[in-house]
Amino acid sequence: QVQLVQSGADVKRPGASVKVSCKASGYTFTGYYIHWVRQAPGQGPEWMGRINPNSGDTHYAREFQGRVTLTRDTSISTAYMEVSRLTSDDTALYYCARGSGSWYYFEYWGQGTLVTVSS
Amino acid sequence: DIQMTQSPSTLSASIGDRVTITCRASQSISIWLAWYQQKPGMAPKLLIYKASTLETGVPSRFSGSGSGTDFSLTISSLQPEDSATYYCQQYHNFMCSFGQGTKLEIK
Repeated sequence: QVQLVQSGADVKRPGASVKVSCKASGYTFTGYYIHWVRQAPGQGPEWMGRINPNSGDTHYAREFQGRVTLTRDTSISTAYMEVSRLTSDDTALYYCARGSGSWYYFEYWGQGTLVTVSS
Repeated sequence: DIQMTQSPSTLSASIGDRVTITCRASQSISIWLAWYQQKPGMAPKLLIYKASTLETGVPSRFSGSGSGTDFSLTISSLQPEDSATYYCQQYHNFMCSFGQGTKLEIK
C-alpha cells in the first residue's frame, strides 16, 4: 500500500532553517509528483510547491519562492523540503502528499511534521 | 491568485440529514476542484476530484457538483463519522489553493 512517512517534529529559532523528509513506499517513487502543503494552527491548508521525482523539476507557490527548496533522493525514495529564514508565522504542520499523475490534487498524504518556530 | 470561499464556516446537523457545503472560486476553474475531509489530528482525506468524481472507497452518500466558479459537496444522509472539517481545493492551471474550511458538527 502507498505510504508516505515523514520525519519527526522539530523546534527552531527564528532565522534558522528546517529540513523535513518524506519517505515513499508502495509505488514507483519517480512516477508521481510529491507536493508539500502546510497547515498553521486552526487554518486551512496552504500549498507550498511540488517536485517531479523523476526529473527533479520543481514548481513553487509564489509566496514561498526563494525561501523553500524541494529536493529528492531517488535511491532511497525520499523527498525533502527545506524552509529558510524561519519566523513564528512558519509554525505549522507540514505535510507531503502524492499527486495524481501531474494533477495538483492529493490522493495520499504523509502523517505531517510539526515545525515550531520559537525564541 | 485564485481565492476559494466556502460557506458556511460551521454547520450543525442531525443524523440522517442532507447536508450541502458550497465553495466559490474567484475566477473560473472549469471542473478542477477537489474536496477533502479532515478529522482532528489527521491529514486531509481526498473525497472527490474533478468536481464530481468520487475517490475510490469513499461512501456513495458523498457527492459533488458544479463547474466554473460555483461548486457544492453534498452528504445525502449524515452519519456520525462524518463529523469533520471539509475543504475545497482548486487545481486550475498547475496551481492550487484551498478554502478556509467548513466545520461540520453532529447535533
